[in-house]
Amino acid sequence: SQTIHQWPATLVQPVGSPLSLECTVEGTSNPNLYWYRQAAGRGLQLLFYSIGIDQISSEVPQNLSASRPQDRQFILSSKKLLLSDSGFYLCAWRGKQGLQTYEQYFGPGTRLTVT
Amino acid sequence: SQQGEEDPQALSIQEGENATMNCSYKTSINNLQWYRQNSGRGLVHLILIRSNEREKHSGRLRVTLDTSKKSSSLLITASRAADTASYFCATAPGGYQKVTFGTGTKLQVIP
Repeated sequence: SQTIHQWPATLVQPVGSPLSLECTVEGTSNPNLYWYRQAAGRGLQLLFYSIGIDQISSEVPQNLSASRPQDRQFILSSKKLLLSDSGFYLCAWRGKQGLQTYEQYFGPGTRLTVT
Repeated sequence: SQQGEEDPQALSIQEGENATMNCSYKTSINNLQWYRQNSGRGLVHLILIRSNEREKHSGRLRVTLDTSKKSSSLLITASRAADTASYFCATAPGGYQKVTFGTGTKLQVIP
């Protein structure tokens, strides 16, 4: 069965520090991968999505970047965090077996607090 | 920007009552999905309705879709305290890869 992992679960970082959040998927190959951010009590904002290794689409201009060095690994990074980067970061994957596969599977999330 | 907007933003009902939440979207779609999020957790897929369907059922869930009005509704019948969560609609406008979510309805079911 497929599993998606995110770490760390929680993170407190000072303004101006770097960031690296990691997401890995097990039990599937060549998935679409997604990074979302959720502000407290709000909806999900799509940040990046990837249809393959080194194929990343950015949805929101910001000081964040994403990379996909391996098929089932998706990394969210920042060189210098801002207070506004605080939030709940969710990684998700979706299969590509036919155009009927639309369901997304989410990881447990990372709670980031920038102080 | 958000593709979908849920209404109401928050809903509080007594256990056993039905809960209805609505989603409006902006562009044409080929399907619409509903997800549930327990506090501080990831989202879980509930149900998908295709653009050529008008209504779909899954257990205590009933989803309707009106493509002419670009709207969908999720009905949870005979609610339980365990249904307390936020509910989001999601669409993939303009293609298969990119999925965007609405703003969510926060449902509280009081035992």
